[in-house]
Order: sequence, then C-alpha cells, then structure tokens
Amino acid sequence: GQQVMQIPQYQHVQEGEDFTTYCNSSTTLSNIQWYKQRPGGHPVFLIQLVKSGEVKKQKRLTFQFGEAKKNSSLHITATQTTDVGTYFCAGSRGGSNYKLTFGKGTLLTVNP
Amino acid sequence: EAQVTQNPRYLITVTGKKLTVTCSQNMNHEYMSWYRQDPGLGLRQIYYSMNVEVTDKGDVPEGYKVSRKEKRNFPLILESPSPNQTSLYFCASSLLAGSITDTQYFGPGTRLTVL
Repeated sequence: GQQVMQIPQYQHVQEGEDFTTYCNSSTTLSNIQWYKQRPGGHPVFLIQLVKSGEVKKQKRLTFQFGEAKKNSSLHITATQTTDVGTYFCAGSRGGSNYKLTFGKGTLLTVNP
Repeated sequence: EAQVTQNPRYLITVTGKKLTVTCSQNMNHEYMSWYRQDPGLGLRQIYYSMNVEVTDKGDVPEGYKVSRKEKRNFPLILESPSPNQTSLYFCASSLLAGSITDTQYFGPGTRLTVL
C-alpha cells in the first residue's frame, strides 16, 4: 500500500536556527498537505500543494512539492519557540482514491 | 463558529463492551474521516466518507465500523473493543475539491482506554 516516510523523527534546534523536514512517498501523489500539532493539541492544517514543483511560502515557512510529486519538504527560517510541535505531511493519490496517508511526523523542539 | 466536535473526550471501558464515539461538523463538508494516533506511529486513517452513505476503508479499518446517515455526523463504532484499540482518536472534515480533499479541520480528539 501507499507509504509516506518522513524524516527526521526528531529535531532540536536553538532559537534562530533553520529547520527542515522531508516527506517521501512510495507512490505518486495528487496532492500533499502539511499539518502542525502542538503538544496536547489536535493537528492544524498549514497548507496544501497540488502542482509538480510547486513552492509556497507562509511568512517564515516554505513548502515545496517535488517535480515527480513523490516528495515534499517544509523549511522554517529562523525558528521561534512558538514553532514547537510535531509537523506532519499527508498525501493522497487522488482520482477515485480519497485515502489520506500521513507521515509519522517530525517533532521540533526549540531551545530559547 | 466553524468546528468539528467529538464526544466523549475521554473514555475508559472494558474489553468487549460496545461503544460509539460521535463526530459532528457544522461546515456542510462532504468529506469526513477518522484517525487514530499512537506514539511512534503518527496518524493513521481508519475510515473516511466522501458523502452521505458513501464510506471507504483507510489504512487501519479492522475492528471499527462507521456510518454516514447524515452529512454532519460520522460516528465511529467499536463493536467489541480490545486493548490494542487504546489510542487517541481524531475526527476530521473537509470540502471536496474535485478529486482531492481541501483543508481538513480536526476535532479535539477522544482519548480511549480499553482495559
């Protein structure tokens, strides 16, 4: 079945450092979504990428979707303590398949 | 306020005692879904529904049932719960945009313990 691998599993940074998490799918995706989950909270949608090679920015966050639509990344510039949480990617094959498969997430901790 | 609600938020039960976790959304979303979250395993989709009376299996459907009789509600049923179903459960909903889902809104979660 479809698998979505996400690395690293954990990342600890000093405040102000950059952070990147990577997502790789075993199959071509129609779209990929990114979520953030704060400790004790529920996942919150960040963004959706649909087009091959797409790059989207949200303030200090940059999201990329690979040309082959099998990989994606989330990059945070100059991390802040408010960035702490687990970041998940989730992909779908589309067409008649609406199943959404999540990566296991990357837990980001930020040292002030 | 647009939201997804789940009840109960916490439940401790015993093996074999049937239970239902309710999920409701007030955004007129077509797509609804159930996930379980376990340490080290992330979020795994149990079932999803594209509209009323249309449901399909996710990655881990065994031991669960769902129904979608109304657009706003998507209950998760455990006919005979077992300890390996102890987990944190999330319901989510979204609009459908053609062949893909749009922004998914998650409920607050239900922490289930099966003894």
